[in-house]
Amino acid sequence: AQKVTQAQTEISVVEKEDVTLDCVYETRDTTYYLFWYKQPPSGELVFLIRRNSFDEQNEISGRYSWNFQKSTSSFNFTITASQVVDSAVYFCALGGLSGGSYIPTFGRGTSLIVHP
Amino acid sequence: DTGVSQNPRHKITKRGQNVTFRCDPISEHNRLYWYRQTLGQGPEFLTYFQNEAQLEKSRLLSDRFSAERPKGSFSTLEIQRTEQGDSAMYLCASSFWTGNTGELFFGEGSRLTVL
Repeated sequence: AQKVTQAQTEISVVEKEDVTLDCVYETRDTTYYLFWYKQPPSGELVFLIRRNSFDEQNEISGRYSWNFQKSTSSFNFTITASQVVDSAVYFCALGGLSGGSYIPTFGRGTSLIVHP
Repeated sequence: DTGVSQNPRHKITKRGQNVTFRCDPISEHNRLYWYRQTLGQGPEFLTYFQNEAQLEKSRLLSDRFSAERPKGSFSTLEIQRTEQGDSAMYLCASSFWTGNTGELFFGEGSRLTVL
């Protein structure tokens, strides 16, 4: 069984602050993939990043960065210099490759509110 | 637009009625997933297809739910004898499965309200 925990239900920041969204996962698979998705008020889930279990390099894309630490089963997401447009619900997801099925499991999401 | 398309976007129905949702995936994608999302929760897996074959169904998918993907293209999700507990956003996603991974690309969802 696989599980994703996003302990932060809601985070509220003021524009230009940095913010980190936490994600902790559980899996028995040795090969798995981690994802982050953004769900703006319009409702469509937008893919942000994929990371596989063999690659622990951190990644930076503009104001976004991701920190994958296998030792603590965490895949945290940091937004630098947050903007109002970053306001959304962010989901962390895990897809393992056991038993021939590949079914990404999502966390409950963290609602990020960025105030001007 | 070449993204995942779902319709209808909103459906209001009375308890006991049947409803059907349609999903048109990204054309070159071979896998199609249905998820359900309720307020304040993350998407919960319902079922998925590889081409036209339905490979797995969640225990959440009661006998009143049926999904098809004829010819491996679009998919339909039918809910028979709807109940108030079926009220949710039904999300469709597609992916290009390479044998290792494939990120899911989601549609805008079909919101169901059962009165």
